[in-house]
Amino acid sequence: SAVISQKPSRDICQRGTSLTIQCQVDSQVTMMFWYRQQPGQSLTLIATANQGSEATYESGFVIDKFPISRPNLTFSTLTVSNMSPEDSSIYLCSVLAGGDYEQYFGPGTRLTVT
Amino acid sequence: AQRVTQPEKLLSVFKGAPVELKCNYSYSGSPELFWYVQYSRQRLQLLLRHISRESIKGFTADLNKGETSFHLKKPFAQEEDSAMYYCALPLYGNNRLAFGKGNQVVVIP
Repeated sequence: SAVISQKPSRDICQRGTSLTIQCQVDSQVTMMFWYRQQPGQSLTLIATANQGSEATYESGFVIDKFPISRPNLTFSTLTVSNMSPEDSSIYLCSVLAGGDYEQYFGPGTRLTVT
Repeated sequence: AQRVTQPEKLLSVFKGAPVELKCNYSYSGSPELFWYVQYSRQRLQLLLRHISRESIKGFTADLNKGETSFHLKKPFAQEEDSAMYYCALPLYGNNRLAFGKGNQVVVIP
């Protein structure tokens, strides 16, 4: 298993600004993922954070809007850039631990954009 | 494309009654399927995966390839089963997962 923390736990931001969310894991993990969970919706995978190289984005998500860093095997950041109210969501970090596809999730960051 | 469908958004059951959450999938090949659960004020966590064939907290799920389903069942619901349940399957490559829309389960005392 893995223990994952996220900062901040919640924030209220103004339109047009950017917010960086941090994800810290208590052990080294090979794969980290970022998800978005919009109100009343399921989890949508934004990207896979790759250590030492650029993140791999899913269809509909671009690096300019959601730049991701992964400087080492225990830490990653997701930035939500030039925010609009449509970006109001819970953002979740997860890591691959245990068996294939078995993911452990962070507590999430609740973002509200006004 | 890989896809998971959970048709019912909200399911209310009385304590002691059976509960069944439906999950249908679209996948080319033999998928590995998962159920994740999120209790109130807790983080999302793995409940069970079909490959392990375990019963977790009284829940079981059987993969039916003919019907492309992976329904979650429990014969006697408990109040602590009230939670949000998500069915998930892999996206091709790199251990990524796609989640269904989720089922909100409310167990009535």
